[in-house]
Amino acid sequence: KNEVEQSPQNLTAQEGEFITINCSYSVGISALHWLQQHPGGGIVSLFMLSSGKKKHGRLIATINIQEKHSSLHITASHPRDSAVYICAVTLWGGSQGNLIFGKGTKLSVKP
Amino acid sequence: GAVVSQHPSRVICKSGTSVKIECRSLDFQATTMFWYRQFPKQSLMLMATSNEGSKATYEQGVEKDKFLINHASLTLSTLTVTSAHPEDSSFYICSAVDRVGSSSPLHFGNGTRLTVT
Repeated sequence: KNEVEQSPQNLTAQEGEFITINCSYSVGISALHWLQQHPGGGIVSLFMLSSGKKKHGRLIATINIQEKHSSLHITASHPRDSAVYICAVTLWGGSQGNLIFGKGTKLSVKP
Repeated sequence: GAVVSQHPSRVICKSGTSVKIECRSLDFQATTMFWYRQFPKQSLMLMATSNEGSKATYEQGVEKDKFLINHASLTLSTLTVTSAHPEDSSFYICSAVDRVGSSSPLHFGNGTRLTVT
């Protein structure tokens, strides 16, 4: 069993739909990251969170430490949101970039 | 915002040659940089942690003599794949932290796609 599990693996949505991507982990962490990987491979850090909820524009990330679960929500999705979304965790006591990654969720938003 | 530049973005080399990949922090000083690789259809995996002025820390299973890491300045870390083989073909990407501390964000480069023929 992977230490970081994401679902779904693939997701197709119509423009405007509300999207949720889930992440579960089985290790003790100091932070959880949501990353966006573009088709060329480049990665953008969307959120780093250790508790509660964060919002940036149309993106919302939540984490439940007790349940070891996090969700990434995209409101009013747009074709430019199409990318691979990756959940990654920093192990407790580790440095920020010492990450364990999920396999990613490939999102395709159709116009 | 903070930018990390990685070069080259794509390289094709012959088996047995060496390839150097550069990771630069453009507008901040990075005492720590991280190198990852991603094989097709697999998760990213941390290869090594690069600390300015000291030896890199390699993850289990990563050969330090094959993947040479140099972090000679606060803005530049290099990864050299020595005597490359086709099985080293992969996507390599770096990240950097501008401040040591639990709230410091990670900044990623755009990655390097290496193909060894």
